[in-house]
Amino acid sequence: GENVEQHPSTLSVQEGDSAVIKCTYSDSASNYFPWYKQELGKRPQLIIDIRSNVGEKKDQRIAVTLNKTAKHFSLHITETQPEDSAVYFCAFPSGGYQKVTFGIGTKLQVIP
Amino acid sequence: DGGITQSPKYLFRKEGQNVTLSCEQNLNHDAMYWYRQDPGQGLRLIYYSQIVNDFQKGDIAEGYSVSREKKESFPLTVTSAQKNPTAFYLCATQQSTGTSPLHFGNGTRLTVT
Repeated sequence: GENVEQHPSTLSVQEGDSAVIKCTYSDSASNYFPWYKQELGKRPQLIIDIRSNVGEKKDQRIAVTLNKTAKHFSLHITETQPEDSAVYFCAFPSGGYQKVTFGIGTKLQVIP
Repeated sequence: DGGITQSPKYLFRKEGQNVTLSCEQNLNHDAMYWYRQDPGQGLRLIYYSQIVNDFQKGDIAEGYSVSREKKESFPLTVTSAQKNPTAFYLCATQQSTGTSPLHFGNGTRLTVT
């Protein structure tokens, strides 16, 4: 199956600092790379996604970068705020695009 | 997402009993998924379905069963064969496979004692 690596598993940053989470994949055919945020006790929700025809996408304080050669994509959060504290998951299609596989998740804690 | 309804929110069962978790959607999405989440863990795929009357096993299908008789519905049965059924179960839909985001229901927290 699809080999998915996400790190770090936990990340603590001071409010206002930046946070970076990275995911590495093995299926070179993948062309859609989303990131989900899950707050405690709630459902995961899409926060940003990127397709393989672009290298970077930004949405206010959140950005995703894609390096297809190295087969990894990263989530960047700038000027972190306490409400950014959550678990973040990368995901991508696998099994011939028939299913979606998630990374293990990164628990981000923003310290006020 | 308002278009995906999972019920009930909390479910308690005795060991040895089968239990069915409901997932209904009105988004007209073709694909539906069931994931299991344990405390502090990621999302593990149980079953998925791309079209009506067809479904495939995910990574941890043992002890679970599903049906997809209608496009709107994808119920999950946790059987007595599932050794550690206590978990948070999430249903998700996807408009088209591979290149669109998943939309999740609010989840069902199952406790088996």
